Amino acid sequence: DQQVKQNSPSLSVQEGRISILNCDYTNSMFDYFLWYKKYPAEGPTFLISISSIKDKNEDGRFTVFLNKSAKHLSLHIVPSQPGDSAVYFCAALAPGGTSYGKLTFGQGTILTVHP
Amino acid sequence: KAGVTQTPRYLIKTRGQQVTLSCSPISGHRSVSWYQQTPGQGLQFLFEYFSETQRNKGNFPGRFSGRQFSNSRSEMNVSTLELGDSALYLCASSLTGGPLNEQFFGPGTRLTVL
Repeated sequence: DQQVKQNSPSLSVQEGRISILNCDYTNSMFDYFLWYKKYPAEGPTFLISISSIKDKNEDGRFTVFLNKSAKHLSLHIVPSQPGDSAVYFCAALAPGGTSYGKLTFGQGTILTVHP
Repeated sequence: KAGVTQTPRYLIKTRGQQVTLSCSPISGHRSVSWYQQTPGQGLQFLFEYFSETQRNKGNFPGRFSGRQFSNSRSEMNVSTLELGDSALYLCASSLTGGPLNEQFFGPGTRLTVL
């Protein structure tokens, strides 16, 4: 039962353009969402997060949008740079004790930014 | 300050053997979580330890176990290895493991079971 889904295994964009990575979830108990970036041979690194009480959070070139009614979130990268090429994972947390240390991840989307 | 370290980085075992992986969290972090990453399943939560106690557990068989020491270092053990256990095993540390606590990941241990 995949509670967090990233339906696009890969995305290719041109440098300078916008990258949009999508994520859907099924568990309505999730109330905190995160995006991680992962380079080969490294662990995931935290990128940006959003609480369910917000619908948008921005940090530099990265913006995350949350649509609770559609159970959908997206990560926008503007402008995209070749160094952004990596695997992007969205993850979710539910409140309460059952969430301790437990991130539920999507399968990841490989982003390739071409110069 | 030093990040999360995992040893060994690579490991090759045969079916039926057992393996122990080690994780040293960031100094001051008391929560350590373990994840399994496979191409088909993505990252899946194994378990979380806090103050030497397992506080949360994912849906993995009992062959997967772990422990945490008083210095917050953690070990994960997999007994009776199966081919399907081949994966990248990641550990992550955070201050308390609670919601909103950022988790910092180590580079992972790549386990290959032959």
